[in-house]
Amino acid sequence: GDSVTQMEGPVTLSEEAFLTINCTYTATGYPSLFWYVQYPGEGLQLLLKATKADDKGSNKGFEATYRKETTSFHLEKGSVQVSDSAVYFCALTVNQAGTALIFGKGTTLSVSS
Amino acid sequence: KAGVTQTPRYLIKTRGQQVTLSCSPISGHRSVSWYQQTPGQGLQFLFEYFSETQRNKGNFPGRFSGRQFSNSRSEMNVSTLELGDSALYLCASSPRTDNSPLHFGNGTRLTVT
Repeated sequence: GDSVTQMEGPVTLSEEAFLTINCTYTATGYPSLFWYVQYPGEGLQLLLKATKADDKGSNKGFEATYRKETTSFHLEKGSVQVSDSAVYFCALTVNQAGTALIFGKGTTLSVSS
Repeated sequence: KAGVTQTPRYLIKTRGQQVTLSCSPISGHRSVSWYQQTPGQGLQFLFEYFSETQRNKGNFPGRFSGRQFSNSRSEMNVSTLELGDSALYLCASSPRTDNSPLHFGNGTRLTVT
């Protein structure tokens, strides 16, 4: 069945370091891909998305490119801040509606100053 | 604009009992979906409602059910509770059923003893 695999954390970085969180997927058809973020004490919120191959989603300095050939959607940021400390979830849709998401297990990012 | 509101925030129930959780979506949002979050299984899709009709359902037993009212508010019910039902239950709303971003509530923490 459809699934999402993302690197296990926690990921611990110093401020201004480069961030990569790996995400690969298995899906029938052509899913849309998402990154959601959960800051401490807050609900999940959409960080970025890409709906077709080679699309690049970006927001708040984060980027991810939909790579169909490698079935990947890795999250990157060139210079992380302490405020980026959160749990990051990679997800895909299983249908055209886009509301039935399959999530990865989440990666905890901790950034220290 | 008020966000997605879930009540109650915390709930403790005994095995065999039933429970009802409530979700009020963002004003104007007609799609409501529910997710279960546990440390072991992560985030799993339960079901989605749009205009009072269930559009999608995840792979959960029939003990898990839901409904949506004409004002888009939604409830989910779990009957004959089991210890394994202990989880954070998240509700998300979106204005439509396309790839619109999901807006998540802070969840209801259910503990089954």
